[in-house]
Amino acid sequence: NAGVTQTPKFQVLKTGQSMTLQCAQDMNHEYMSWYRQDPGMGLRLIHYSVGAGITDQGEVPNGYNVSRSTTEDFPLRLLSAAPSQTSVYFCASSSPGGRAFFGQGTRLTVV
Amino acid sequence: GQQVMQIPQYQHVQEGEDFTTYCNSSTTLSNIQWYKQRPGGHPVFLIQLVKSGEVKKQKRLTFQFGEAKKNSSLHITATQTTDVGTYFCALRRDNDMRFGAGTRLTVKP
Repeated sequence: NAGVTQTPKFQVLKTGQSMTLQCAQDMNHEYMSWYRQDPGMGLRLIHYSVGAGITDQGEVPNGYNVSRSTTEDFPLRLLSAAPSQTSVYFCASSSPGGRAFFGQGTRLTVV
Repeated sequence: GQQVMQIPQYQHVQEGEDFTTYCNSSTTLSNIQWYKQRPGGHPVFLIQLVKSGEVKKQKRLTFQFGEAKKNSSLHITATQTTDVGTYFCALRRDNDMRFGAGTRLTVKP
């Protein structure tokens, strides 16, 4: 049972480049979320989804896009990377009201 | 929106000492969850509290939810080096989950 799978684990981007962070879960969870983790700031919610075709903004959505075409997948797109987006990104999934299961994280550096 | 504030930000203890982290809110919380993140790892669920005054134990870990449901705490008795990591409280809302800033625990052998 894979749980939540994130790819890639590490990525270096140049300022202005775009990329997609992948997230897939095999637990048939309705809820999926993306967080970024920066030192001293905990986990901040970027975007979330309560089901296929439904997405919404979290605390820090600027510079990121998401889509949810299937229950399993919830990719996060950086449209034009900026150094301020250097962070560790976590994808999580859960059932309504349940605990969150996290992926292993993607460490992104924007130079 | 509803938020949770967590203190302290850092705690360094000698192995065998106790450790407590606190999570506070200005509004009544419907629930609180606790997670642990080992260095270099991802957050892992520890427990969920939903009832006023609830106390739950997991071996050396004791979790409490305040009577007014505005605060919660995680207490570790006699810390061990395996307790090292960052402990987060989190509020499970209708459609999303919001985390506190976390308390980073280091343990000196």
